[in-house]
Amino acid sequence: GAGVSQSPSNKVTEKGKDVELRCDPISGHTALYWYRQSLGQGLEFLIYFQGNSAPDKSGLPSDRFSAERTGGSVSTLTIQRTQQEDSAVYLCASSSGAGGNQPQHFGDGTRLSIL
Amino acid sequence: AQKITQTQPGMFVQEKEAVTLDCTYDTSDPSYGLFWYKQPSSGEMIFLIYQGSYDQQNATEGRYSLNFQKARKSANLVISASQLGDSAMYFCAMSKSRGAQKLVFGQGTRLTINP
Repeated sequence: GAGVSQSPSNKVTEKGKDVELRCDPISGHTALYWYRQSLGQGLEFLIYFQGNSAPDKSGLPSDRFSAERTGGSVSTLTIQRTQQEDSAVYLCASSSGAGGNQPQHFGDGTRLSIL
Repeated sequence: AQKITQTQPGMFVQEKEAVTLDCTYDTSDPSYGLFWYKQPSSGEMIFLIYQGSYDQQNATEGRYSLNFQKARKSANLVISASQLGDSAMYFCAMSKSRGAQKLVFGQGTRLTINP
């Protein structure tokens, strides 16, 4: 069975460029999350989508970060005018519902390096 | 705000011994969930076990059990009969039970199993 799929697995780009990271959740999962894992900050929540509800954007670190989820499935995280501090592993997760007892299943992440 | 504390940056255990990874939490929410994830060196986040705040019994999943002490706000992970493949980073996390179920993670414990 297919798990959470993220692409690209690695991305190297120059400071100031825009990047798009893609996440394809487990089929049928209505909730989708983005996290960032960096050496200094550990795992940080970025944004959360649940069904047709307005996303919870409370974890986005700046207005350079945005995300969308089309058709309740695939999600794209966009970082504009990248900075070196954006270098991290970006993890996507999905779960089957909004209940707090639903485990989140993670993709393998996108390792983003800003030169 | 929710907070997770993992006080053991690293642990070394002999193969076949049991190991306890510590996790304490802080929250003002009356209802919440506690999770443990394993992250091998390959990077994927693997869900291990879940405990709900109102669950009467400690959760168990195969060799994993969660020692939940609500009054002490602790949710330690116990791994019985450790194996070489258990070497990894282990993260404790919590979420609210209702509404957005974003996970708040601890800083992790790196477990090394020695042969």
